[in-house]
Amino acid sequence: GQQVMQIPQYQHVQEGEDFTTYCNSSTTLSNIQWYKQRPGGHPVFLIQLVKSGEVKKQKRLTFQFGEAKKNSSLHITATQTTDVGTYFCAGPVGTALIFGKGTTLSVSS
Amino acid sequence: DTEVTQTPKHLVMGMTNKKSLKCEQHMGHRAMYWYKQKAKKPPELMFVYSYEKLSINESVPSRFSPECPNSSLLNLHLHALQPEDSALYLCASSPPGTGRNQPQHFGDGTRLSIL
Repeated sequence: GQQVMQIPQYQHVQEGEDFTTYCNSSTTLSNIQWYKQRPGGHPVFLIQLVKSGEVKKQKRLTFQFGEAKKNSSLHITATQTTDVGTYFCAGPVGTALIFGKGTTLSVSS
Repeated sequence: DTEVTQTPKHLVMGMTNKKSLKCEQHMGHRAMYWYKQKAKKPPELMFVYSYEKLSINESVPSRFSPECPNSSLLNLHLHALQPEDSALYLCASSPPGTGRNQPQHFGDGTRLSIL
């Protein structure tokens, strides 16, 4: 069935380095959402992208939605230890919201 | 602090026990969800309630029985669970509208262990 694919599965960076996670769908999505789950925590909604080519920023986080609305990315500039966690993209598939497998980010100081 | 409250936070039960998980939200959301999350995996949708009616059941075994008594409450009744059902069970809610297009607000979850 249709999936929302996400890479990489894991990423380790030194504090201050940049980080990017990518999300892809085989079909056009009406919107894409991003969530962050800290270790031992629950998913927390970060942002929703709706428009083709949309770019949104939240401080050091930049979110993009592809022109074809089939892919998205989350870029973190100058990572901090507080950025540690798993970042999930999620897109509507059929009648439900389907999560990608997530990218787990670890940061060493 | 989350605006979706789940109880209990932890639950250990035997395979013959009956227990219930509870979820409550007071944000006026009319869609509520149950997800199951295994370690290092994404949340997997189990059930969706829209305006207190079950709208999606993702082929979940009958040993899981959801209930939505009113627009603020969501329960998940558990009976005769298997060890592989051990997981984090997350409740979520979303504003009125097409549920799959709305941001979801998650509770802290119930960490369930089946002995």
